[in-house]
Amino acid sequence: AQSVTQPDIHITVSEGASLELRCNYSYGATPYLFWYVQSPGQGLQLLLKYFSGDTLVQGIKGFEAEFKRSQSSFNLRKPSVHWSDAAEYFCAVPDTASKLTFGTGTRLQVTL
Amino acid sequence: NAGVTQTPKFQVLKTGQSMTLQCAQDMNHEYMSWYRQDPGMGLRLIHYSVGAGITDQGEVPNGYNVSRSTTEDFPLRLLSAAPSQTSVYFCASSYSAGNNQPQHFGDGTRLSIL
Repeated sequence: AQSVTQPDIHITVSEGASLELRCNYSYGATPYLFWYVQSPGQGLQLLLKYFSGDTLVQGIKGFEAEFKRSQSSFNLRKPSVHWSDAAEYFCAVPDTASKLTFGTGTRLQVTL
Repeated sequence: NAGVTQTPKFQVLKTGQSMTLQCAQDMNHEYMSWYRQDPGMGLRLIHYSVGAGITDQGEVPNGYNVSRSTTEDFPLRLLSAAPSQTSVYFCASSYSAGNNQPQHFGDGTRLSIL
């Protein structure tokens, strides 16, 4: 079965600093990959998705992610974090028939 | 533009009680699913449906029932609530069951079982 690992449970960054959230996947072929964001008390919102082609994917809210096959990674990045980016971020990979397998999430705290 | 609507938003139950969590989507999506979210475990799939009249089990189906009589609605039933079912429940939908289909999530139902 496919799986994703998010090694960082909690990350704190200062507003204006750059951000990188790690995601490693386990799958033999090129997977589909998603990043979702969950604001407190809310559901999950899709940030971006990777299917094939360009390994650098642009998403909403200024986020991007880079697919690196050699490292089995799909890390999420943002050049300059805003206080409103404080949330929990989930990497996910679909199994058969859209069944998503989620990582355990990374909680982002932004200090002013 | 409602998207995926879940009701209720909060619920407290006593052990042994039954209840139904409601989920409705207005996007004419074929695929719907239920996840539970527990601290440190991400989201885990409970049940899913690829279309009206078709349901199947996910990773953690025990203690839950579902049905899909219409395209719009996908209720989740707890037959006899247990404290281990205390969790946040999310309903999601997508246009179809393809692996490239992003899923749209409701805002969740926060359920406590005493």
